[in-house]
Amino acid sequence: GAVVSQHPSRVICKSGTSVKIECRSLDFQATTMFWYRQFPKKSLMLMATSNEGSKATYEQGVEKDKFLINHASLTLSTLTVTSAHPEDSSFYICSASYRGAETQYFGPGTRLLVL
Amino acid sequence: SQQGEEDPQALSIQEGENATMNCSYKTSINNLQWYRQNSGRGLVHLILIRSNEREKHSGRLRVTLDTSKKSSSLLITASRAADTASYFCAVGAGGTSYGKLTFGQGTILTVHP
Repeated sequence: GAVVSQHPSRVICKSGTSVKIECRSLDFQATTMFWYRQFPKKSLMLMATSNEGSKATYEQGVEKDKFLINHASLTLSTLTVTSAHPEDSSFYICSASYRGAETQYFGPGTRLLVL
Repeated sequence: SQQGEEDPQALSIQEGENATMNCSYKTSINNLQWYRQNSGRGLVHLILIRSNEREKHSGRLRVTLDTSKKSSSLLITASRAADTASYFCAVGAGGTSYGKLTFGQGTILTVHP
């Protein structure tokens, strides 16, 4: 149980375009989803927390207009990287948890390369 | 910052040996969790220890927590080549930040067959 999927697993795009990454909880209702960014051989940096039906809460230093997060249902959250630039290239990982849970269930990650 | 700091950054051992990884943090916690990440993949939850617990076991894993020293350790006994991965500690906050995790830098474990 507690499976989280991400799509796409890999994406290459041109600078200036927007990219949408989907995060789905397949077998449970995810009241909260988290979006992380990870640089090579580094730790995970929390970008934002989203609760179903509410606006996302962004961590300090993360641009809201750059990284649009939508959590429209209990099984789907999306992260849109708008007007992507090469410095946005990274590994983006989502996780999901259900109400009252302390553990997060992670998706497999999406590798974004912006040319 | 509650960010965990892990030590060592990298650990290389032979199959059958034990592997110990340490994590230190800065502020009070609700719980501390350990996750594993295979290269280029998502994270898998291994074990959670609450702030009022001192030790916990799960299979070949043993976690300790010393809140007075703000530190935790993860011991993997009788390691296998398949244990090769990055291991992260994550501190779970309480209060208004309940459910949020702050990850440490990770320890890269390599187990040689």
